Amino acid sequence: EVQLVESGGGLVQPGESLRLSCVASGFTFSRSWMSWVRQAPGKGLEWLSNINEDGSEKYYVDSVKGRFTISRDNADNSLYLQMNSLGDEDTAVYYCARVSPAAGPDYWGQGTLVIVSS
Amino acid sequence: DIQMTQSPPTLSASVGDRVVITCRASQSINNWLAWYQQKPGKAPKLLIYKASTLQGGVPSRFIGSGSGTEFTLTISSLQPDDFASYYCQQYSTWREFTFGPGTQVDIK
Repeated sequence: EVQLVESGGGLVQPGESLRLSCVASGFTFSRSWMSWVRQAPGKGLEWLSNINEDGSEKYYVDSVKGRFTISRDNADNSLYLQMNSLGDEDTAVYYCARVSPAAGPDYWGQGTLVIVSS
Repeated sequence: DIQMTQSPPTLSASVGDRVVITCRASQSINNWLAWYQQKPGKAPKLLIYKASTLQGGVPSRFIGSGSGTEFTLTISSLQPDDFASYYCQQYSTWREFTFGPGTQVDIK
């Protein structure tokens, strides 16, 4: 059974940093692209970033370029999102997702909530 | 950048109704389109991929169609469990994924 479990969310002040983690199981993590997607309270889904199987390709939405960094550790079946210079607009539930070649993001974690507030 | 639009933003319907949601892409995405269902406080659930392929375990009342820039999700006979938000998403290039703004299906 495919499982994705995010952690690392919490309350931070504007300008601070946070690192999210996503631990994968039930599939061959090292052979899968992965995504981060977020959802602000009461809003829609926003794709943030993709990373390829070995971490050599990384792509970001414009709103987080230069502030967020996606990475992975295939030895630990883990995906990360380093978030710097956080602002109020980054308050959201953050999801990791496995990307299937045919279906795009097919399995999702339960999400982790990040609140940016002074 | 590929932009996605959805209509309507909200939809009120009754159990048994046929419901149609439309999704449009700003440029051709061939059939690289997925549909998700999301309920409050839950992660999105993949319903359909490659525009018309039903994900395993998803009821056959969910029907996807379209290609190029225009796509539809049809729920042939709305069931109580179907009241939720629905999102389309393009994945034609893995350099950028884009979601539509969503359609909320409410009880009339």
